Amino acid sequence: EPEVTQTPSHQVTQMGQEVILRCVPISNHLYFYWYRQILGQKVEFLVSFYNNEISEKSEIFDDQFSVERPDGSNFTLKIRSTKLEDSAMYFCASREAQGSGELFFGEGSRLTVL
Amino acid sequence: RKEVEQDPGPFNVPEGATVAFNCTYSNSASQSFFWYRQDCRKEPKLLMSVYSSGNEDGRFTAQLNRASQYISLLIRDSKLSDSATYLCVVFIYGGSQGNLIFGKGTKLSVKP
Repeated sequence: EPEVTQTPSHQVTQMGQEVILRCVPISNHLYFYWYRQILGQKVEFLVSFYNNEISEKSEIFDDQFSVERPDGSNFTLKIRSTKLEDSAMYFCASREAQGSGELFFGEGSRLTVL
Repeated sequence: RKEVEQDPGPFNVPEGATVAFNCTYSNSASQSFFWYRQDCRKEPKLLMSVYSSGNEDGRFTAQLNRASQYISLLIRDSKLSDSATYLCVVFIYGGSQGNLIFGKGTKLSVKP
């Protein structure tokens, strides 16, 4: 069964460092998302991406965050200068078609900022 | 005002019990509705979509009341494996793509 894959599964970094989280969406999917979940909190929308550009972003997704689809396969989330409060599980998700079709989530990347 | 509200629980029930979860949403532009299940430290996984007419999938029944902006999930004959957090999720179509808005989840623990 096709799946969304994410790497790394866990990353520990020092405050102020740059972090790149990688995702490989399901191959025929066109719509991509990043969500995050701080421990014990709800899953929060960060950004959506379609046709090589951001469709929508939340207030969490400030100038420290960026997304890219550099090679038609990977979909990356970059945090330029990490803060303690960026510690969370980051989920990538993808969807095949327009409308409200099912979102398929990756297993997540746990980011710990020290 | 929270967009999607759920009772956080936990609901502690014995095996075989029937348990019901409720959810309310604030955005009347919400278009589609779902229940996701999330196991501890895992990704959310779609349990079922929720339709206005109500729908059933085995032991699970979901209901939607658009007028009251209320969604429910009923689990009958609960199993140990049903222990998880159940996320009420609405899809809001905005801009070119739309996205899912999650409730904080209701934790269920089924005991032997």
